Amino acid sequence: EAQVTQNPRYLITVTGKKLTVTCSQNMNHEYMSWYRQDPGLGLRQIYYSMNVEVTDKGDVPEGYKVSRKEKRNFPLILESPSPNQTSLYFCASSRDGGGYEQYFGPGTRLTVT
Amino acid sequence: QKEVEQNSGPLSVPEGAIASLNCTYSDRVSQSFFWYRQYSGKSPELIMSIYSNGDKEDGRFTAQLNKASQYVSLLIRDSQPSDSATYLCAVKVTSGTYKYIFGTGTRLKVLA
Repeated sequence: EAQVTQNPRYLITVTGKKLTVTCSQNMNHEYMSWYRQDPGLGLRQIYYSMNVEVTDKGDVPEGYKVSRKEKRNFPLILESPSPNQTSLYFCASSRDGGGYEQYFGPGTRLTVT
Repeated sequence: QKEVEQNSGPLSVPEGAIASLNCTYSDRVSQSFFWYRQYSGKSPELIMSIYSNGDKEDGRFTAQLNKASQYVSLLIRDSQPSDSATYLCAVKVTSGTYKYIFGTGTRLKVLA
C-alpha cells in the first residue's frame, strides 16, 4: 500500500529535550515536506526537500531542522523544543517539485510542556 | 493580505444541495491548485487538482480555476452528511521557490 508514515503519532515532552519525528514514504517520491497545523493558522510549511541533495526553508522554519539522507526518509528534528512548538505536524510527499499533488502522513500531535 | 484566502465558515447546506467553496490567491506565479478535505484530527486527503483555466469534474466534485481573477472554487453536488469536513485550498508557487501555500480552510456542514 502506497503511504506516508510518521512516528510517533503522539508525543508529550518537556522544554529543551531534543526530539525527532520520523517520516517515511514508499512511493519513490522526490519531494517531501513538513507542515505544522495550528487552529486559525492552517497548514504552514516548515521545510521541504526537492531530493536528497536539496532542502529549503518553508514559511516557519525557526526552531526546526531536517535531514534527507535517503530518498524515502525525511525526519524532523527539534533540537530544543519550546511550548510554542506544541502543534499537529504532518509529513507529506509528492512525485517531485513540479506541482504535483501531495500525499500526507497521519500526523503527529506534539505537546511541549 | 494572506497569500491564499478562504472563508472560514461554517458553510451550512442541506443534504442534496450544491456546496460552493471559494478560494482566492495573491498575485504570485502560481502553477498548480489543489483541494483537500480534512476531517477533524485527521490528515488532509486530496480531492481535486487543477492546473489550467476552466472546469474539471470528478464525480460529484467540480473544480473551477480562473487565473485572471485569481480564484479557484470547488462545487460539491448532491452534498451528503459525510461531506461535512474542512476543505483546504492549496497553491503551488514557483517564483524562485517550491513551496505549497495552504488556506486556513472552510468548514462545511451538510445538514441531514
